[in-house]
Amino acid sequence: KQEVTQIPAALSVPEGENLVLNCSFTDSAIYNLQWFRQDPGKGLTSLLLIQSSQREQTSGRLNASLDKSSGRSTLYIAASQPGDSATYLCAVRGSNYQLIWGAGTKLIIKP
Amino acid sequence: DTEVTQTPKHLVMGMTNKKSLKCEQHMGHRAMYWYKQKAKKPPELMFVYSYEKLSINESVPSRFSPECPNSSLLNLHLHALQPEDSALYLCASSQDGTTGEQFFGPGTRLTVL
Repeated sequence: KQEVTQIPAALSVPEGENLVLNCSFTDSAIYNLQWFRQDPGKGLTSLLLIQSSQREQTSGRLNASLDKSSGRSTLYIAASQPGDSATYLCAVRGSNYQLIWGAGTKLIIKP
Repeated sequence: DTEVTQTPKHLVMGMTNKKSLKCEQHMGHRAMYWYKQKAKKPPELMFVYSYEKLSINESVPSRFSPECPNSSLLNLHLHALQPEDSALYLCASSQDGTTGEQFFGPGTRLTVL
């Protein structure tokens, strides 16, 4: 059974720092992995989708990597800003086509 | 346009009421989803419609009834809900029901009194 873990559960850093969020999964048989952002009480915003054949994807200050063999993905945020404060969730699309979710990392960027 | 819209934004209902949540997308996607999200938890999949056919029905109580009038619209009919059903209800869509990127709407905050 696929399990997705995100560590740490919460992270607080000063503005301007580069940071890395981690996502690990137990079954490497995935179709893709998607990173989302969620602001309190709001819907989810898709940030990046990495197909199982890809190693990384970039969008602006965000870079996501995928290492299927080790069951790990990272989301790198460059030059963090207070507006980046949110909960970040990763989800893998497994063999039954459903998204399996991590519990999320709550990120606080201090001005 | 990667937008999924949901109405209403907020809904308060009694346990004897009947109400509906609505979701719409104009991206030409052929799969639409309903998720339930409790505070500080990830979303839980309730229903999937792929090409207007219900393809996954988790063990969701029958007081939740999905409807897909066409490929752009998705409704969730609510009847005789319980207070524990209070949550954020999220709609999503993707190109297909297998591996497509999912795009989410802003959600409906439901409170059951």
